[in-house]
Amino acid sequence: NAGVTQTPKFRVLKTGQSMTLLCAQDMNHEYMYWYRQDPGMGLRLIHYSVGEGTTAKGEVPDGYNVSRLKKQNFLLGLESAAPSQTSVYFCASSHRTGPSEAFFGQGTRLTVV
Amino acid sequence: SQQGEEDPQALSIQEGENATMNCSYKTSINNLQWYRQNSGRGLVHLILIRSNEREKHSGRLRVTLDTSKKSSSLLITASRAADTASYFCATSPGSGNTGKLIFGQGTTLQVKP
Repeated sequence: NAGVTQTPKFRVLKTGQSMTLLCAQDMNHEYMYWYRQDPGMGLRLIHYSVGEGTTAKGEVPDGYNVSRLKKQNFLLGLESAAPSQTSVYFCASSHRTGPSEAFFGQGTRLTVV
Repeated sequence: SQQGEEDPQALSIQEGENATMNCSYKTSINNLQWYRQNSGRGLVHLILIRSNEREKHSGRLRVTLDTSKKSSSLLITASRAADTASYFCATSPGSGNTGKLIFGQGTTLQVKP
């Protein structure tokens, strides 16, 4: 079972460049999340989705956009990357029914120079 | 600011000792979860406690929840070197399952052999 797969695993961007991070899950989960993890800050929620075609802002949404066109995929976009967006990005998914554990991908390490 | 705050930020113990980590949160919650992260990896779910539960056990893990104090604790008994990792609490704010999942800053645990 693949679970939650993030693409790419590593990326270096120049300031001002754009890119899309892809998250794919094969567990038929309704909820999907994008987090960023910085040293000493824990995980901060960027955006999340409660179903296909829906998205919502998390704690730190500025500078990011997301789309959930298919239930299994959740895309995170950076339109104009900034050095402050250097971070490790994690995607996660969970079931809608009842309190449910989240399953995480292995992370994408992004460096903006 | 983040929903959850954990303390201590770092904990170092000897193998065989117990480790206790605490999590405080700010708003009412539907449930609280604990996750573990090995260095450079994705998070793995450990245990979930609902807002109407006070204590839960899973193997060497014991979680308590005090909704009046908005706090939770995670106890790992008879620790092993393999328990060395970062531990995070995560809360689902609100009375229902809204999908939102907010993490604390984490406790880094080192278990010395």
